[in-house]
Amino acid sequence: AQSVTQLGSHVSVSEGALVLLRCNYSSSVPPYLFWYVQYPNQGLQLLLKYTSAATLVKGINGFEAEFKKSETSFHLTKPSAHMSDAAEYFCAVTHEAPGNQFYFGTGTSLTVIP
Amino acid sequence: DTGVSQDPRHKITKRGQNVTFRCDPISEHNRLYWYRQTLGQGPEFLTYFQNEAQLEKSRLLSDRFSAERPKGSFSTLEIQRTEQGDSAMYLCASSFDPRFEETQYFGPGTRLLVL
Repeated sequence: AQSVTQLGSHVSVSEGALVLLRCNYSSSVPPYLFWYVQYPNQGLQLLLKYTSAATLVKGINGFEAEFKKSETSFHLTKPSAHMSDAAEYFCAVTHEAPGNQFYFGTGTSLTVIP
Repeated sequence: DTGVSQDPRHKITKRGQNVTFRCDPISEHNRLYWYRQTLGQGPEFLTYFQNEAQLEKSRLLSDRFSAERPKGSFSTLEIQRTEQGDSAMYLCASSFDPRFEETQYFGPGTRLLVL
């Protein structure tokens, strides 16, 4: 069975401050991990993904995430928050197998304070 | 390549009515997925197709739900005898053969409100 847990359903940061969104996964097989962003009334846009290559993954808009197997974590970070980063962020896990079903977390709403 | 498109973007219906949603995946993507997303939750898997074959269905997909992908291109999701609990965002995603590309690309969704 696979699942992800996103700690903190709401995160607020000041503009220019560090963004840290937490994701812990559970998987009995090597996982593929994703971060998606969702703006209001829109679909999900891929930010970055980990697929067993480099453990530090860089994505779009200055975001990055580090896969830590020992901690079963895949936290999302950005050094300096921008107002345009305000959105809902979802972590998802899947693995290399037929079906390729994604299991999403419940999401973290990021607010950026000017 | 215009991405995954979904139609309609919004649907309001009365309880008991039937509704149908359409999804057009990215061309050459042979996998197509349907998800449901309720307020404050992440997307939940409903079903997926490999070309025209429906290969897996979630237990969330009751008998009132049916999905088709007749020619392996666009897909439709029909909900019969809608209930208020069906109110949600219905998301479609597509991917290339996951042996080569496991990323799913999502459409903008269809927001359903059942009155």
